[in-house]
Amino acid sequence: DIQMTQSPSTLSASLGDRVTITCRASPSVSNYLAWYQQKPGKAPKLLIYRASTLQGGVPSRFSGSGSGTDFTLTINSLQPDDFATYYCQQYNSYSPTFGQGTKLEIK
Amino acid sequence: VQLVESGGGVAQPGESLRLSCAASGFTFSNFGIHWVRKAPGKGLEWVAFIRSDGSHKYFADSVMGRFTISRDDSKNTVFLQMSSLTSEDTAVYFCGKEFSPSSPPDPPDAVDFWGQGTMVTVSS
Repeated sequence: DIQMTQSPSTLSASLGDRVTITCRASPSVSNYLAWYQQKPGKAPKLLIYRASTLQGGVPSRFSGSGSGTDFTLTINSLQPDDFATYYCQQYNSYSPTFGQGTKLEIK
Repeated sequence: VQLVESGGGVAQPGESLRLSCAASGFTFSNFGIHWVRKAPGKGLEWVAFIRSDGSHKYFADSVMGRFTISRDDSKNTVFLQMSSLTSEDTAVYFCGKEFSPSSPPDPPDAVDFWGQGTMVTVSS
């Protein structure tokens, strides 16, 4: 299986901050990398696919970059609605795998 | 697009449960469907996928040989049959539609729409 290592596991930030979450794949997943946001008791929400393409309806303060093994999710100017858990997922295999998640908390 | 899971509940270790995922709002027969679960206090775990035509099915190692997946296009429904359940299977189970139709040898696409989830508790 392809291993996805996400960091940090917890991130404390303030409203208006810019934050970055990283995800490392082993081995390479090309650009078949998605980012999801999940809030407690809710289904995940697709934010970004193909590593850098913003899903329709997702605010432009979210952006993704990377290819191969190293990826980042950046959120500019944090809003109250952004405090949630974020997961990366590779889908370059018949057994897609998620990172362990990053919980974004209010400082 | 709407996906609605059902069939969750409480089961004893070793028992079986069948989950359903009823879909609407898109051409169901064109898309593969994933199952993903979230155990209490843990992250998301991909469980299984079935191709749009039901010809290929993929499973996580943790459920291989115990879970099966099927679809009934006449009912726009995907089923996840779970057997030999253990406490490790306790989780909220979500179904999700793949973003774009995929076919072998391409791997399944990411999930763009999700159901609300159904809770499975395995406990004696």
